[in-house]
Amino acid sequence: SQQGEEDPQALSIQEGENATMNCSYKTSINNLQWYRQNSGRGLVHLILIRSNEREKHSGRLRVTLDTSKKSSSLLITASRAADTASYFCATEGIQGAQKLVFGQGTRLTINP
Amino acid sequence: DAGITQSPRHKVTETGTPVTLRCHQTENHRYMYWYRQDPGHGLRLIHYSYGVKDTDKGEVSDGYSVSRSKTEDFLLTLESATSSQTSVYFCAISETTTQETQYFGPGTRLLVL
Repeated sequence: SQQGEEDPQALSIQEGENATMNCSYKTSINNLQWYRQNSGRGLVHLILIRSNEREKHSGRLRVTLDTSKKSSSLLITASRAADTASYFCATEGIQGAQKLVFGQGTRLTINP
Repeated sequence: DAGITQSPRHKVTETGTPVTLRCHQTENHRYMYWYRQDPGHGLRLIHYSYGVKDTDKGEVSDGYSVSRSKTEDFLLTLESATSSQTSVYFCAISETTTQETQYFGPGTRLLVL
């Protein structure tokens, strides 16, 4: 059962523009995490936002969480070619045990 | 990759043969996970371990078994590989049980013919 659903599935923008990706989920969560995956590599953790938080920043990343709508967004500002990757949201349910459930991901392409 | 290695990195095998994938960590993290990644499905949890000899099933555990005899090693075994198990397999680790990030290995690409 897929918890996170990401939108869009693919996004192509020009370098310097902002990129926004969305994630929706179905059940109550402890936290929501965003990961990046470069082609052929493992996932790299970007940011974790807890269920009692609404917004979090890390460098050029801004994540919001709306638990009433069961949704989150990841904003990457001033995109760079190196941001080209797939981005996944993952939710940790209230049952804990660190059993993350991943969405299908958004493929982001930054054009020079 | 946070001190996580996976071996082999690539493997081609035939249907019906047993396959064992190894995950090795140098971080002394308690929790270890095996995921598979397939197009259109994201990552799905196969099995996880919360300590030496302590393991539990994930979302897609059928056809897979695991073992953890040492903190640093987590083995994933396909007893009799099938073509549906062709996938990329990722190992991950985490330090605590909750509210914590997971650190991923580089992956193993498995092709079952």
